[in-house]
Amino acid sequence: DAKTTQPNSMESNEEEPVHLPCNHSTISGTDYIHWYRQLPSQGPEYVIHGLTSNVNNRMASLAIAEDRKSSTLILHRATLRDAAVYYCILRLVDTPLVFGKGTRLSVIA
Amino acid sequence: KAGVTQTPRYLIKTRGQQVTLSCSPISGHRSVSWYQQTPGQGLQFLFEYFSETQRNKGNFPGRFSGRQFSNSRSEMNVSTLELGDSALYLCASSPNRILNTEAFFGQGTRLTVV
Repeated sequence: DAKTTQPNSMESNEEEPVHLPCNHSTISGTDYIHWYRQLPSQGPEYVIHGLTSNVNNRMASLAIAEDRKSSTLILHRATLRDAAVYYCILRLVDTPLVFGKGTRLSVIA
Repeated sequence: KAGVTQTPRYLIKTRGQQVTLSCSPISGHRSVSWYQQTPGQGLQFLFEYFSETQRNKGNFPGRFSGRQFSNSRSEMNVSTLELGDSALYLCASSPNRILNTEAFFGQGTRLTVV
């Protein structure tokens, strides 16, 4: 299975942009890159996903490297409600979402 | 529309007993997956059902089983409970199984085995 590598934790100041990195050097051509987050005491929540091109939605942006071996989730203005564990996941053909340990994001007021 | 509903939210069972957890997916969703979350192991995949058929299974003992009904509702069963089965059990639903589909998670069932 292709794996992802994320920093264990990151910290951000409120209202500043946050760039959450993810390495996936063994990604194959058909793997989608998904991001989920889990707020305290809740189930995971979908954030964004992409294949090759950068993607934007109301929650975040996803920047994918040209060689697809890494990606970055961008929260444009972090709020206290964005404090969560963020998971970068490669969605492989005919396999379920497989969660790693993710990055615990702390947001400081 | 209503989200993924898991019942019960909390459960306390005794070692050796069995337990059944229920998951009602979002209306129209046909894929249901189950996950176990513990502080030590994180989120681990249990199994996935689509159109009443198990499509994938994680690395869990045979004490863990599940099924999906024709209305897409799913149940998972754990027999001969062990203390280590104490965890948050999460269910996720998706419209289908294609790769660019997002999954919607329920709030989970917190199982405590004493």
